This record gives sequence, structure tokens and C-alpha cells, in this order.
Amino acid sequence: QQQVKQSPQSLIVQKGGISIINCAYENTAFDYFPWYQQFPGKGPALLIAIRPDVSEKKEGRFTISFNKSAKQFSLHIMDSQPGDSATYFCAASSTNAGKSTFGDGTTLTVKP
Amino acid sequence: GAVVSQHPSWVICKSGTSVKIECRSLDFQATTMFWYRQFPKQSLMLMATSNEGSKATYEQGVEKDKFLINHASLTLSTLTVTSAHPEDSSFYICSARVPPGQGTGELFFGEGSRLTVL
Repeated sequence: QQQVKQSPQSLIVQKGGISIINCAYENTAFDYFPWYQQFPGKGPALLIAIRPDVSEKKEGRFTISFNKSAKQFSLHIMDSQPGDSATYFCAASSTNAGKSTFGDGTTLTVKP
Repeated sequence: GAVVSQHPSWVICKSGTSVKIECRSLDFQATTMFWYRQFPKQSLMLMATSNEGSKATYEQGVEKDKFLINHASLTLSTLTVTSAHPEDSSFYICSARVPPGQGTGELFFGEGSRLTVL
């Protein structure tokens, strides 16, 4: 049973466009929802994260939207740049459990 | 953000030998670290949770005798792939969670270690 479902698997966006990646979770005990960016041959890097007490968090060009009732959250990348081309993973965890459950990843390609 | 250092970043070894990968939290103490395995174009697969001062907790299907984990201090966890075989070739990544008392509980990853077994 996959606890975190991520879509789409791949995404191609033109430079300047908006990239949107979606995730849905099942475990209502999850209370921490981060997004990670991974470049080839590198470990994932924390991009932005949100907790259920807010519905949106923005950091620069990156925004997380969180819908607690629907158990969904999404990453929006505004003004997408070729340097944003990477694989993005959503994740979910509960503070008590510690370990994170990851989505399958989305490969983003931003065309110049 | 917090820094997690992983070493070596890549290693090539002969079949039957053992390889040790180190994971260090450089600017915080981590009572818990996690080890993942990642195949090309796939997500991270949690292998085990490394607990300082106690035995690691392995995920279902992960051979504990094959992947030895030692968390000897609050800043160091090691993964040893014993008697490595070509099918063990993979990208191994560690992570550490900043304890809530020292930060916000975020999870930070090492740079990963590419293991190639000939």
C-alpha cells in the first residue's frame, strides 16, 4: 500500500512557466510534508516544507499548497527556470514515528 | 540548513569484498539516522533506521547481515555492505533528522554514495 502518491511522473515546462506537482497521502497521522529536489548523482535537498496548521507556504518562487481535508499537497514553481530541471520528491512523516514516506518522484524538465 | 556529510561519494570494489560508507552530521547531534537505497530513476527506498547506542531497525526484506549498520556516536553512522555482489551496486543515501530541541525536526540528506561492485 503506497502511502504517498505523487503525480505526474514527468513534467516538461517552458521557461517562465508554472510547474505543478501533486501528492496525496493516506495516513492522517502525518504532520510534516516536505519537498525535496534532487539533481543526478546527488542526494536530495530539502526545498520547502509545510505542517498541517497552514494551508500555504511560500519561499521565493516555490509554494506549497496544503489541503488537509482532501489529504493532498502540491508544489508550485513559479517562473520556472532551466536550472530547476531536477527530480522532485514529496514526502510525509509523523513527528512521533520519525521516518519519512516518499513519493515516487517527478522529473521536471524546463525548456529554455 | 543543517549539514550531513557522506563518504565516500563513490566507490568501486570487487565482488566478495566489504565496503563501509560513513554518514556524519556536522553541525547537530542526531540520535537517529536513516539509510536509503536508490535505483536509477526511482524513489528512495528506506533500508533501516540507525539508532545511536542501540541496534538498527531494518525494513522488511532488508538483510541485516548483509547491510551492517553501526551508530557509534551522536554524529556518525556507518553502513557496511558485506560480501558485496554486483546486485548490490546502487546509490546509497543517508539522512539525519534535527532533533526538535535543536531545530524544527527537518530531515537532511547526505550527498549519497555510488557503489559499483565488479
